[in-house]
Order: sequence, then C-alpha cells, then structure tokens
Amino acid sequence: DGGITQSPKYLFRKEGQNVTLSCEQNLNHDAMYWYRQDPGQGLRLIYYSQIVNDFQKGDIAEGYSVSREKKESFPLTVTSAQKNPTAFYLCASSMILTSGGMRQFFGPGTRLTVL
Amino acid sequence: GQQVMQIPQYQHVQEGEDFTTYCNSSTTLSNIQWYKQRPGGHPVFLIQLVKSGEVKKQKRLTFQFGEAKKNSSLHITATQTTDVGTYFCPVPHGSSNTGKLIFGQGTTLQVKP
Repeated sequence: DGGITQSPKYLFRKEGQNVTLSCEQNLNHDAMYWYRQDPGQGLRLIYYSQIVNDFQKGDIAEGYSVSREKKESFPLTVTSAQKNPTAFYLCASSMILTSGGMRQFFGPGTRLTVL
Repeated sequence: GQQVMQIPQYQHVQEGEDFTTYCNSSTTLSNIQWYKQRPGGHPVFLIQLVKSGEVKKQKRLTFQFGEAKKNSSLHITATQTTDVGTYFCPVPHGSSNTGKLIFGQGTTLQVKP
C-alpha cells in the first residue's frame, strides 16, 4: 500500500542492543499499529495509537516501546529486554470505511535479525 | 478470548484448480475483512463484508459472509500463479472502535504451474 514507509527493509543487530524501527505515513490517518510476524504465523499486535501523544499496549508489548509525537510517525523500539526479537515487523495505519469497520494499510515491513 | 480460525492452514493446487479457504469466529461479527500477503510482502486489503449472507465477487474471487455472521469463505476459481500467497480474514477486536484487528494464522496457497 502506498503512503506508509518503513525503514530499513533489513536490519541486523547484535544481541543486547536496542534498535528503533521507523514508520511514516502520509495518509493523514489517526490510528497506527505495530505488528510482529514470525515465519508461518499470523500477525500479532505489539502497540497501537489512536491519536498523537497516546498509545496502548497490544497483545505482546513486553520488550517493546513506542512514541507518537507526530501524526505521521510511529517509531518502534525493540529493547534488549525482548527475548526473541528476530521477526518481520509490520506497521499499519487505518481509515474508516463507509460501510463501517476500519481498513488497515500496511507498510512494506522491516525484517529484523538479531545475531 | 476472541479468536479467528482459518482452514486449511496450507493448500497446494495445480494451476487451473479451484481453491477455498474458510474462516470461523467464536463470536458474532460486525464485519470481516480479507487480506492477501504475497511471499516476502505485506498484507493488502481485499474486501470487507458486513451483511449477513453477503456475497461479493472480485473477478475470480468470491467472498461470502455466513448467515449467522460467524464465518466467512473465500473461493478462487481457476487459480493462477499470481494467486500465490497467504490469505487472512482478520476480525474486529471486541466492540471497540480502535480499529484493532485479530489475525489468525491465515491460509497459505501454493499454485503449481
């Protein structure tokens, strides 16, 4: 989906280091989300934010932190406390559909490998 | 808690064969969405179903929402190699308006040319 960028596409870090994943959107969406995807698995919600300066934990928030200082940006920090950080990380934003419900737009993802 | 189950988890078909994946929820749903994720890619929205018994078509893809609004299906007629990927049917998280979706494991489709 156009409008959401994540960088970098691939990221390698040594164990014990914190790393921040970037997510930027130009869709003017209020809500943004971070998911983690492991091989052969579905998406699990890490954090979400419905508005600037506010965010809530998702299902697997331990070892992660986020900030939402600007509407366009929702960076995710993977801390050294995350026991198994190697995964594919997806950022998304959402818009309300005319029929109700909220459609999500995903960025291209960042594949993090911790060595 | 609320869950969504998809079957089958994996499906291998010969190009030209039909394919169906089924989605089942433990609760009655206000809506259900379908997304496709190509290998190495990100999920892309396909459609949302809202009404009981609703059927929607997109070319070779037919989406159906169950009468009880607890299940849904995606049927692909005459598969092509471009259909390869994982299909997800996330459901809204509870009754909140956060836009949160619950994703299951999805169904991964492989198409042999």
